[in-house]
Amino acid sequence: QSALTQPPSASGSPGQSVTISCTGTSSDVGGYNHVSWYQQHPGKAPKLMIYEVSKRPSGVPDRFSGSKSGNTASLTVSGLQADDEADYYCSSYAGSNNWVVFGGGTKLTVL
Amino acid sequence: EVQLVESGGGLVQPGGSLRLSCAASGFTFSSYWMSWARQAPGKGLEWVANIRQDGNEKYYVDSVKGRFTISRDNAQNSLFLQMNSLRAEDTAVYYCARGRGDHWGQGTLVTVSS
Repeated sequence: QSALTQPPSASGSPGQSVTISCTGTSSDVGGYNHVSWYQQHPGKAPKLMIYEVSKRPSGVPDRFSGSKSGNTASLTVSGLQADDEADYYCSSYAGSNNWVVFGGGTKLTVL
Repeated sequence: EVQLVESGGGLVQPGGSLRLSCAASGFTFSSYWMSWARQAPGKGLEWVANIRQDGNEKYYVDSVKGRFTISRDNAQNSLFLQMNSLRAEDTAVYYCARGRGDHWGQGTLVTVSS
């Protein structure tokens, strides 16, 4: 069982928006502004899409946005494109030893 | 450009050992915590171990404590994972990651099977 809870699947049509949730506790998501989101295409390494809750690394489209409320973080993908179809993982700093915990992943399908 | 390149994976029998390496470039390696994460086939990501910049603090997920050892060579910009007493459940792609995961390598597959 993963430390953070994500829905196993999400879907949307091209051009639509979809939001993926990531629920933890006050010891991880709720306690720190160190939530990240990763995109992973089949057979590829995870790619950082969002860090520190809502910041985007250079090169990540602004269609990807992040937010947090209490113990739940969210990733919103706007203007869905076919290439957005992938697995998405959230992660959070877990408060000591520079440790990171992950969500179980959400498979995003672009219909 | 930050680059992390893992090597050392392969097929090993249960109870065997492997040593993974990660060659880092494009950043000041000695300034960062470094980590190993893994992903079992068809499963999610799992943080396995991490190590402080000077190598004097190391942490492990419970399932590998006493079997895996993380280490680093700052002079060679390299990270290592010594894996002993391997089990079938250790089968996974192992990734090297910088810090809390802002950059990842491409991964190396470890298969534990007889």
